[in-house]
Amino acid sequence: RKEVEQDPGPFNVPEGATVAFNCTYSNSASQSFFWYRQDCRKEPKLLMSVYSSGNEDGRFTAQLNRASQYISLLIRDSKLSDSATYLCVVIGDNTDKLIFGTGTRLQVFP
Amino acid sequence: EPEVTQTPSHQVTQMGQEVILRCVPISNHLYFYWYRQILGQKVEFLVSFYNNEISEKSEIFDDQFSVERPDGSNFTLKIRSTKLEDSAMYFCASGGQTNQPQHFGDGTRLSIL
Repeated sequence: RKEVEQDPGPFNVPEGATVAFNCTYSNSASQSFFWYRQDCRKEPKLLMSVYSSGNEDGRFTAQLNRASQYISLLIRDSKLSDSATYLCVVIGDNTDKLIFGTGTRLQVFP
Repeated sequence: EPEVTQTPSHQVTQMGQEVILRCVPISNHLYFYWYRQILGQKVEFLVSFYNNEISEKSEIFDDQFSVERPDGSNFTLKIRSTKLEDSAMYFCASGGQTNQPQHFGDGTRLSIL
């Protein structure tokens, strides 16, 4: 089983749509969880950290389910500028290296 | 907003040559990292560095690779004898605390001919 698994997409959605991405991780002892965004041929940029209680940042909501080892990201009211690859990232136990999923590609069209 | 800077943005090198990739982490950060991303693949961890020594390295980080913090600001990755399969984007990252988000530089694209 892959350490961090994501649906690669692409997800093609119209502007204004709500879209949800999911991610699963294999190490139940993982400590920290993040969503990063990566534009084509650019560096990963932190979108938000993910907490068990769930957290929201504007149009973005992230959720963590430790029992199911599952992380989600919800984007409401999609903008053209949201088009990017969304990377699910986990830090395991006894380490601080980031473990990346392969990413989910989102394309928002007018 | 402080940022991680990397030079060069693109490096083209003959196979077997040595390359040095340079990074200036965010100034008050203590944890430094190198990652790489082969075209079309996921980002992979190479090495982490704290308190002037390697704290963790991956299987990719073999004897051909080394890291150094030669002064108070730079953090370098050296590949001693490059191979074709070293062609990738190399990202430097830094963090203020362990287990916290890491901030990435804009990468060096390494092309081995």
